[in-house]
Amino acid sequence: DAKTTQPNSMESNEEEPVHLPCNHSTISGTDYIHWYRQLPSQGPEYVIHGLTSNVNNRMASLAIAEDRKSSTLILHRATLRDAAVYYCILRDVGYGGSQGNLIFGKGTKLSVKP
Amino acid sequence: DSGVTQTPKHLITATGQRVTLRCSPRSGDLSVYWYQQSLDQGLQFLIQYYNGEERAKGNILERFSAQQFPDLHSELNLSSLELGDSALYFCASSANIVGTQYFGPGTRLLVL
Repeated sequence: DAKTTQPNSMESNEEEPVHLPCNHSTISGTDYIHWYRQLPSQGPEYVIHGLTSNVNNRMASLAIAEDRKSSTLILHRATLRDAAVYYCILRDVGYGGSQGNLIFGKGTKLSVKP
Repeated sequence: DSGVTQTPKHLITATGQRVTLRCSPRSGDLSVYWYQQSLDQGLQFLIQYYNGEERAKGNILERFSAQQFPDLHSELNLSSLELGDSALYFCASSANIVGTQYFGPGTRLLVL
């Protein structure tokens, strides 16, 4: 499975936008880019995923570089509740790919200051 | 609330013992996954079941086993427990083999 690289930690102020970067220079054509987050003392939570085009949902936006070697998770207005570890994960859902499981790295620990 | 339930929430046991962790997937989900989260190893995939059949295996020790029952709930059995097995065990479910995974609240296992 292709690997991802994320900063160990980031800080943000409450109600400001947050851009969480992820590098995945060895991404393959059938790799989807997934983001999950884990709040303290909770299980991981799905945030968003995409393949080539930018994606938006009620939680966040995902901006994918044209060459797909990097992506950015955007939280438009950070709240204290967004303080969590954010994981960028590649999932190969193509024929013959690993398909099922998620491979978690260390993620980015986001701190949000009031 | 993800809709995935796990019991028990906490478990304290002794080395050499055997425990069973239980997971009920979201209604309608056919796939169940088990993950282990420890301080030094992070979140690691253990095993996946789909509609009762084992689908994929990760870093699961031979002392650990799992199964998915006809009603789609799953159990993870951990035997001959060692201190290093102390960790958070998460169950996740998805509608199909590659769908979005929804995680339960986890079972915290402490082996003394």
